[in-house]
Amino acid sequence: DTAVSQTPKYLVTQMGNDKSIKCEQNLGHDTMYWYKQDSKKFLKIMFSYNNKELIINETVPNRFSPKSPDKAHLNLHINSLELGDSAVYFCASSQEQGWVETQYFGPGTRLLVL
Amino acid sequence: SQQGEEDPQALSIQEGENATMNCSYKTSINNLQWYRQNSGRGLVHLILIRSNEREKHSGRLRVTLDTSKKSSSLLITASRAADTASYFCATDVVDSSYKLIFGSGTRLLVRP
Repeated sequence: DTAVSQTPKYLVTQMGNDKSIKCEQNLGHDTMYWYKQDSKKFLKIMFSYNNKELIINETVPNRFSPKSPDKAHLNLHINSLELGDSAVYFCASSQEQGWVETQYFGPGTRLLVL
Repeated sequence: SQQGEEDPQALSIQEGENATMNCSYKTSINNLQWYRQNSGRGLVHLILIRSNEREKHSGRLRVTLDTSKKSSSLLITASRAADTASYFCATDVVDSSYKLIFGSGTRLLVRP
């Protein structure tokens, strides 16, 4: 009965590879997000989708491409991985887009680029 | 740019004591939220306070908001070892993007 799930939990890969992280929510929410948390614990929004439509794109390199096949899923594909991409990536969802919405986070995907 | 900054960065207290964490932000907000992150886990929402509210309670949590000083505080009373976690404040941005900006977090250690 996990609300927001991500796979994989850990991802270790070589520089230059392409990888994908998957996210699914079973809360019936309309809005989903991707965040990046660096080694200093700063959490920064990357993308947001509302009903499969991209609404936030925070100056993320083109190597990062989100895809939302339906409103319950938001996947993140990363091309040509770089050392600086090493971080924890969190998926989150909220009922709607809005200023008073609570966000529900997945457990995170720990990406290490060697 | 970082909107919220928590203070202190780290806090160590004895079980049973109160823990106070502060958050400062830079721009006007509609609401401020506090989240907790246990080690190796995702963030969990604790409480939301709207810009027209000054204080809010939820169980052992008390949040205050001072919009004139652009600051908020989170008080955890009668702390327990299970409260050990990182605590983040998050503010919205008063534009059309509906995004949350998170602070850098306070790492709380409650010693049994």
